[in-house]
Amino acid sequence: SQQGEEDPQALSIQEGENATMNCSYKTSINNLQWYRQNSGRGLVHLILIRSNEREKHSGRLRVTLDTSKKSSSLLITASRAADTASYFCATVSLGGGNTPLVFGKGTRLSVIA
Amino acid sequence: SQTIHQWPATLVQPVGSPLSLECTVEGTSNPNLYWYRQAAGRGLQLLFYSVGIGQISSEVPQNLSASRPQDRQFILSSKKLLLSDSGFYLCAWSWGSAPNQPQHFGDGTRLSIL
Repeated sequence: SQQGEEDPQALSIQEGENATMNCSYKTSINNLQWYRQNSGRGLVHLILIRSNEREKHSGRLRVTLDTSKKSSSLLITASRAADTASYFCATVSLGGGNTPLVFGKGTRLSVIA
Repeated sequence: SQTIHQWPATLVQPVGSPLSLECTVEGTSNPNLYWYRQAAGRGLQLLFYSVGIGQISSEVPQNLSASRPQDRQFILSSKKLLLSDSGFYLCAWSWGSAPNQPQHFGDGTRLSIL
């Protein structure tokens, strides 16, 4: 079953603007991960944030996590046309072991040059 | 470095025909392996995952089955395809010795059932 749910479903911005995508989830988590998928390709892992972390940066990406609200956000700064893709959050529930990731339905980001 | 291969990239099959999709991983041993299906414009649905040879966990009861005959080989099969089996099938791996790690995906197989 889907746990993460991204918002908005689709987002269209101009090149150079910032893009913010949100993810809400339902159960307690070990960590939350963000992935990117170009059209017709596999997913690529972007960033992992653990439940005891509040913010993480990687290049132009900034991820926040609020476990009290069970939500996360992905910010892409100074967007480029090449950032056009679908972005998914995925959660790892508490339980350890090899608990599979649960993916949301994704946000489709279009960056217009 | 580790690589994951999926084939074929596209496949068109008639209803009622069998299916075999193969996924192999190179450069690691004892990975966790996963099969997902993605409907058009939708998220990923986990179908099967495996933590070792011969160990398969099924997440969704359906017309499909999976096998892991070798450590780095994961096969998705069906004896008789249905129209509803159409979709984009993705294989992924993660480190088996480190739980909850990121998954690494192949480029997928687009399956169309006629």
